[in-house]
Amino acid sequence: AQSVTQPDIHITVSEGASLELRCNYSYGATPYLFWYVQSPGQGLQLLLKYFSGDTLVQGIKGFEAEFKRSQSSFNLRKPSVHWSDAAEYFCAVAPNRDDKIIFGKGTRLHILP
Amino acid sequence: DAMVIQNPRYQVTQFGKPVTLSCSQTLNHNVMYWYQQKSSQAPKLLFHYYDKDFNNEADTPDNFQSRRPNTSFCFLDIRSPGLGDAAMYLCATSPNPLAGSNEQFFGPGTRLTVL
Repeated sequence: AQSVTQPDIHITVSEGASLELRCNYSYGATPYLFWYVQSPGQGLQLLLKYFSGDTLVQGIKGFEAEFKRSQSSFNLRKPSVHWSDAAEYFCAVAPNRDDKIIFGKGTRLHILP
Repeated sequence: DAMVIQNPRYQVTQFGKPVTLSCSQTLNHNVMYWYQQKSSQAPKLLFHYYDKDFNNEADTPDNFQSRRPNTSFCFLDIRSPGLGDAAMYLCATSPNPLAGSNEQFFGPGTRLTVL
């Protein structure tokens, strides 16, 4: 069965530091890949998505993600985090464009002042 | 702005008392989803509508029902809420996947408390 793994439940970084959140998936072909962010008590907001083409994807709020087929990974990065980036981040995968999305368990990001 | 709206944002009900959560969209998307999200967990898909076609997840309890009277509105009915049903309920939409995108757009959620 397809699955999405976010190995880090919590990550803490200092404001201004760089960030990388990990995501691995298990699926043979190239799936549709997403990163969503959820602030406390809010719905999910799409940060970026990858369907095909350039493997480095730019998203909103200064985030980017890189698809690495050889590692089955789609890690999210930001060069300098802001206190407002503190939230829960979900990686998600859809095997095909007409398949439902499978969410990872999420990584909660904490920002130190 | 086109959006997904959920009402109410907070709902308190009593154990066993039926409750209905509402979702509306101005995006004119074909697909509407209902997710249940418990604290510190990923959203769990309950069911979705592709236009009028209802698709129930195999592990969704019978206690949960849904209605989609038109393209814009979708309702989640919990017939006899138990304490374990207390959660955030998220509505999402997506355009016709065959048009090339299965990106989902989420509403702000309804936080359900069961007393």
